[in-house]
Amino acid sequence: GENVEQHPSTLSVQEGDSAVIKCTYSDSASNYFPWYKQELGKGPQLIIDIRSNVGEKKDQRIAVTLNKTAKHFSLHITETQPEDSAVYFCAAQKGGGSNYKLTFGKGTLLTVNP
Amino acid sequence: GAVVSQHPSRVICKSGTSVKIECRSLDFQATTMFWYRQFPKQSLMLMATSNEGSKATYEQGVEKDKFLINHASLTLSTLTVTSAHPEDSSFYICSARRWDTEAFFGQGTRLTVV
Repeated sequence: GENVEQHPSTLSVQEGDSAVIKCTYSDSASNYFPWYKQELGKGPQLIIDIRSNVGEKKDQRIAVTLNKTAKHFSLHITETQPEDSAVYFCAAQKGGGSNYKLTFGKGTLLTVNP
Repeated sequence: GAVVSQHPSRVICKSGTSVKIECRSLDFQATTMFWYRQFPKQSLMLMATSNEGSKATYEQGVEKDKFLINHASLTLSTLTVTSAHPEDSSFYICSARRWDTEAFFGQGTRLTVV
């Protein structure tokens, strides 16, 4: 089955700096890669996603890059703010259709220091 | 994004009793719903996948007789933890998806069995 590795497990940055979280996946057939933000005591919130036919996607301060050859994808947050502090999960999915399961990374605890 | 509502957000029950958790897609019809369990500081663990009107598909190691899942309509799925014990205490999260769109998550339910 699919295996998703996520690094680092914790990341501390100063407000205004950039943060980068990296994930690798094992199954070359995976074609959908979402990123979720989870605040304490809440469910995950989709913040950005990318499909395998695209190399990069950006939404304001958040961007995701995908390298299919190397089987890795990364989340980039620029101009970090204290409210960006949360746990971030990457995930990978193979195939289309609603039944296909997401395989999650272990998560990254991001702390943005004022 | 679409809204998935999960209820209750917190529940405390006595050992040996059953508790039901509801997951509703508020503004879309969900062809598939997923139930996850999350332990503190860990990633999401998929328990089961359910499609409206059919039996849920459980992941390996998940007791289907203990975690009863019903997906009676395109907007409602329920998870019933039967004969709950303290080791069932956890954070349970549902997600819903319509066809090949992204998955949206509920806010989670904190179950404490005393």
